[in-house]
Formats: sequence, structure tokens, C-alpha cells
Amino acid sequence: AQSVTQPDIHITVSEGASLELRCNYSYGATPYLFWYVQSPGQGLQLLLKYFSGDTLVQGIKGFEAEFKRSQSSFNLRKPSVHWSDAAEYFCAVSYSGGYQKVTFGTGTKLQVIP
Amino acid sequence: GAVVSQHPSWVICKSGTSVKIECRSLDFQATTMFWYRQFPKQSLMLMATSNEGSKATYEQGVEKDKFLINHASLTLSTLTVTSAHPEDSSFYICSTGKPTPTLNTEAFFGQGTRLTVV
Repeated sequence: AQSVTQPDIHITVSEGASLELRCNYSYGATPYLFWYVQSPGQGLQLLLKYFSGDTLVQGIKGFEAEFKRSQSSFNLRKPSVHWSDAAEYFCAVSYSGGYQKVTFGTGTKLQVIP
Repeated sequence: GAVVSQHPSWVICKSGTSVKIECRSLDFQATTMFWYRQFPKQSLMLMATSNEGSKATYEQGVEKDKFLINHASLTLSTLTVTSAHPEDSSFYICSTGKPTPTLNTEAFFGQGTRLTVV
């Protein structure tokens, strides 16, 4: 079964510092990979996605992620974190198609300190 | 604007009653919609796949008689939590996607429904 691992449950960074959130997915022929952000009590907002092509994908709010097939990873990065980035971040994968049967990681809660 | 609309955003109900949650696709016809559940401090777990005009497909461990899914039109799927109990309190969220030949489209999520059973 498809699975996603986010090894960091909670991360604290200073505002302005760089950020990297880790994500590993179970091996599959053609993974559709996503990063979503969820603010408290809110739904999910798509930050970025990878379907094929360039392994470095750019998303909204200055986020980017790199797909590394050899490492089965899809880590999320941001060069300079803003206080408004504090939220929960979910990595997700689908093998059935981009929007079908999405499997989510356990999430990483990001805290930003002044 | 929103692609998927979910209603209500939150609901409180008494134990033993039933609650219906609606999920509407606003921009396109959705033959397939998905229902997820998120318990506090946990990730989202797929509950079931809602198929327009046919029975829903439930994930292992999800009681189909408790979580009734109806997908009577191409733009509306409903999840009814029957005989709700406090352990059913959770965040329920639906999703769908615009079908394309290459399947290269992401899921669009509703705003979610916070259910509290007292």
C-alpha cells in the first residue's frame, strides 16, 4: 500500500531562517506528489505538486520542492520563513491519478518564532 | 474562488442523531469524490470513494452502514453520519478533481466540516 512518511512532527524556526520539511514516499512507478498546508481549523491549500518533468517544482508563497526518485523523497523548502507560514504541512502521494485516493503523511507542524 | 464547497463548516449534534454533510463541485462535473476524516492531531485518512450513480467504495475499517454516502448528481455528494457518537467527532473533508486524459490534475478540497457529537 502506498504510504508517506514525514519524520518531523514538529519544527521550530526563526523568522527569516530557511526551512526544509522532509517527506519520503513508498516506492511506486509514477507517483503524483503534493504538499498541502493547513491552518488551524481550516481546509487544505495546495502549495505545489509534482507529476512529471523538472524535478524541482515551484509553488505558491515562495515554496519549492525537489523530487528525488533515488531517495523516494519530496522535500519542501523555503529560503526565508515568514511568521504567516506557521501551520501544519502535509506531504501526500497518489498513484491512481493526481486527485484520486490521496495518501497523506502524518504532517509537520511548523512554529515560527520572532 | 472555491472549486469545491462543503457545508456545513461546523456542526454540533446530540449523540444518537444523524448529521448530513454536503460536498459540491462548483466548476466541473465530478463523477468521483472522496471523503476523508481527520482526528485531532492526526493526518487525513481516506474513508470512502463516492461514485456518481453507483455505490460508494469504503476503505477497510470504515462502517458503510454508519457513514452513508450518496452521489446522486455529478456535482453533489453527501456524507451522512448515522447514529452519531462522541467518537465520531472529527474533521471531515471532501475532495474531487477535474478528470483529464492524463490524470494530471490535483485534488481540490472542500473547507471541511468540524463535527462535534455531545
